[in-house]
Amino acid sequence: AQSVTQLDSQVPVFEEAPVELRCNYSSSVSVYLFWYVQYPNQGLQLLLKYLSGSTLVKGINGFEAEFNKSQTSFHLRKPSVHISDTAEYFCAVSGAAGNKLTFGGGTRVLVKP
Amino acid sequence: GAVVSQHPSWVICKSGTSVKIECRSLDFQATTMFWYRQFPKQSLMLMATSNEGSKATYEQGVEKDKFLINHASLTLSTLTVTSAHPEDSSFYICSARDHRAGGTGELFFGEGSRLTVL
Repeated sequence: AQSVTQLDSQVPVFEEAPVELRCNYSSSVSVYLFWYVQYPNQGLQLLLKYLSGSTLVKGINGFEAEFNKSQTSFHLRKPSVHISDTAEYFCAVSGAAGNKLTFGGGTRVLVKP
Repeated sequence: GAVVSQHPSWVICKSGTSVKIECRSLDFQATTMFWYRQFPKQSLMLMATSNEGSKATYEQGVEKDKFLINHASLTLSTLTVTSAHPEDSSFYICSARDHRAGGTGELFFGEGSRLTVL
């Protein structure tokens, strides 16, 4: 069984400040890890994914995440946020053998001017 | 990237009626689609896995007779909420895997359908 924990339900941050969204997972098999963003009343858009290889993954919109196997974490970071980054962010995991995604509870990012 | 479209985006219905939501993969074939449900300010919960040409696989606790899933073609899956009640009001999101992406597990999501049952 897999599970994902996003430690922060809400993260307020000022515009142009850095932000880090924490994600920890548990799994008994190899994992693929994802970060998705959801704007109000919309579906999910993939920010980035870790499949294998380099543990530092760069995604769209200036986001990056680092896979840490020993700490079972996949934290998302952005060095300087914009107002348009205000959204809900979901960390997700899928097993190597299947495609069902298990989502974390989500982190709501509110960027303040 | 691959595009998944849902219709309708919004639907309001009376209690006791049935509502059908469509999920289409526009530029790829999807043998497998997934249906998720999202309550306000909550995460996505997988309801069922829709397999083309066969019965859907439902997650524990999801009533298969209430949430009918049909995946009749490689580009279309439908979710029918039968005899809807106010507690079925939710945001329903479908997703599909593009086999061209290989076995990466990446899913492409529809825009979601908000159901409100009066």
